[in-house]
Amino acid sequence: KAGVTQTPRYLIKTRGQQVTLSCSPISGHRSVSWYQQTPGQGLQFLFEYFSETQRNKGNFPGRFSGRQFSNSRSEMNVSTLELGDSALYLCASSLGSSTGELFFGEGSRLTVL
Amino acid sequence: DQQVKQNSPSLSVQEGRISILNCDYTNSMFDYFLWYKKYPAEGPTFLISISSIKDKNEDGRFTVFLNKSAKHLSLHIVPSQPGDSAVYFCAASGHGNNRLAFGKGNQVVVIP
Repeated sequence: KAGVTQTPRYLIKTRGQQVTLSCSPISGHRSVSWYQQTPGQGLQFLFEYFSETQRNKGNFPGRFSGRQFSNSRSEMNVSTLELGDSALYLCASSLGSSTGELFFGEGSRLTVL
Repeated sequence: DQQVKQNSPSLSVQEGRISILNCDYTNSMFDYFLWYKKYPAEGPTFLISISSIKDKNEDGRFTVFLNKSAKHLSLHIVPSQPGDSAVYFCAASGHGNNRLAFGKGNQVVVIP
């Protein structure tokens, strides 16, 4: 059974640009969550999607957005990039139950110069 | 504001001995607690969880203890093995959602 797949794995952007990250969940999983990991703040919740609807949202500015498609694949977008957006962005999927037992991908490492 | 806190960022333990990781939380609305393990260059992997209606959950070498009155949980690994060397994250969620609040992690090194 294939795991959670995130693309791209690494990317470098400059301030002011925008970026789109993609996540393919485990087959059959309908919930996709996104987390940002930085050395200073640790793992922080961005948002969760279930059946194409945003079910939960973290405390991030509106520059961070996401969506989920009918096949459960998800994308997140960050516009007007800032240096502080440099982080590992992790996607996680689950069947949809709300137990917090998530399956994480390997992450997309974003560097903003 | 960090709602889940893990002190003692790193821990070294001899193979075969017990590893004890501690975690404190501040939000009394949390009712589900989890531990994740993370190896370098990999995403976190779910390890074990406990519901707030329990005070102990055991899975093989891993046991999680919950003290609700103290808002404290701990993870015991017995016996520790070299493959357990990883970063361990404590996480918590409220009822009915997957919005996890994570601690900053504990680096565990098991010495053969």
